[in-house]
Amino acid sequence: DTGVSQNPRHKITKRGQNVTFRCDPISEHNRLYWYRQTLGQGPEFLTYFQNEAQLEKSRLLSDRFSAERPKGSFSTLEIQRTEQGDSAMYLCASSLVGQVESEAFFGQGTRLTVV
Amino acid sequence: AQKVTQAQTEISVVEKEDVTLDCVYETRDTTYYLFWYKQPPSGELVFLIRRNSFDEQNEISGRYSWNFQKSTSSFNFTITASQVVDSAVYFCALSEAGSGNTPLVFGKGTRLSVIA
Repeated sequence: DTGVSQNPRHKITKRGQNVTFRCDPISEHNRLYWYRQTLGQGPEFLTYFQNEAQLEKSRLLSDRFSAERPKGSFSTLEIQRTEQGDSAMYLCASSLVGQVESEAFFGQGTRLTVV
Repeated sequence: AQKVTQAQTEISVVEKEDVTLDCVYETRDTTYYLFWYKQPPSGELVFLIRRNSFDEQNEISGRYSWNFQKSTSSFNFTITASQVVDSAVYFCALSEAGSGNTPLVFGKGTRLSVIA
């Protein structure tokens, strides 16, 4: 078990471009969360999945953001027409819910810089 | 609405000193979970503790201890005999209801610097 893995670790993109991030959760975890963290702030919730179902989306998640978890395993977060305000660390976490439960384990994040 | 307040933005201590990180929360739920996470320079959030709202017993784990007081809506974290490796940003977080596996609401964090 290698923990939660996020790729890429860093991404620099020009304003207006689309970017996609990937998160591979801990293999047996059925819940997957996306958070965004800007400098000097705590992580802010964006969206989460139970298996392949997207259960909740934050108001922070504008129409330019979309997340998927097609097979209930890895997830992707896409940002279309990036803006400078999208520059942040994007964190993924996973957890297990059900008869046996775990706390949320976080990945190392993808740092996005929009120039 | 839920809110977590960590009033201390930055704290510096000399190695071996004790340090307490404050956390105050707001929620309308009677069932909720409180967490502490550590974020070292590498960026990965490391889980430290989860406590449900029905368990006000204080907890000690090695040099770490937590004081949960429902009457003051506080969940403070103390590091005893601090070490340089404790230097990190520490986040307090709140999760509503259920099993604590609903999305977390984080405070802004407290940056702890332990000086040798």
